[in-house]
Amino acid sequence: TQLLEQSPQFLSIQEGENLTVYCNSSSVFSSLQWYRQEPGEGPVLLVTVVTGGEVKKLKRLTFQFGDARKDSSLHITAAQPGDTGLYLCAGGANSGNTPLVFGKGTRLSVIA
Amino acid sequence: DAGVIQSPRHEVTEMGQEVTLRCKPISGHNSLFWYRQTMMRGLELLIYFNNNVPIDDSGMPEDRFSAKMPNASFSTLKIQPSEPRDSAVYFCASRSGGNYNEQFFGPGTRLTVL
Repeated sequence: TQLLEQSPQFLSIQEGENLTVYCNSSSVFSSLQWYRQEPGEGPVLLVTVVTGGEVKKLKRLTFQFGDARKDSSLHITAAQPGDTGLYLCAGGANSGNTPLVFGKGTRLSVIA
Repeated sequence: DAGVIQSPRHEVTEMGQEVTLRCKPISGHNSLFWYRQTMMRGLELLIYFNNNVPIDDSGMPEDRFSAKMPNASFSTLKIQPSEPRDSAVYFCASRSGGNYNEQFFGPGTRLTVL
């Protein structure tokens, strides 16, 4: 069974600080997605990474896929209150028709 | 384009009543997923369909839960009879047949069973 472990589970920081959250597995994934979920809403896709070592940037967010495609990280620079939410990583298998494997998420709170 | 549409957004019912949740996937997507989310267990996959055919329902908690997809633009998740432990947020997500497995979620239905 493929599992994705996310850490930390909870993170509370002050506005302006930097942070990194991690998504780790013993399994290899063909793709990895990061989602952000705000209270009362569904998860929203932020990025997809597919190549080992790939780095993608989305404004103040930097996503990296591990060289072996077993892990990923999300780094936020100068966090803002609007970054508050639940961050979920999800891994996809080579077969395009199988469900994503989701981690349990990192709940981030950015305090003004 | 409209995203995944779910209805109702909120449902409050009494134990023993039948509950039907509805989902309209993104047009052209050929896979549909039903999830349940709670604080304790996170996001759990209940069932998914490919091309309107149920592929894996091993995540459905009990026989009280059933799901249908009569056509490519509509799916239902039914709970009969409902119990207080079914209280959760239920999400529907859809995906195209592309290579990157990207799923798009609806806004969810918050179910409260009293």
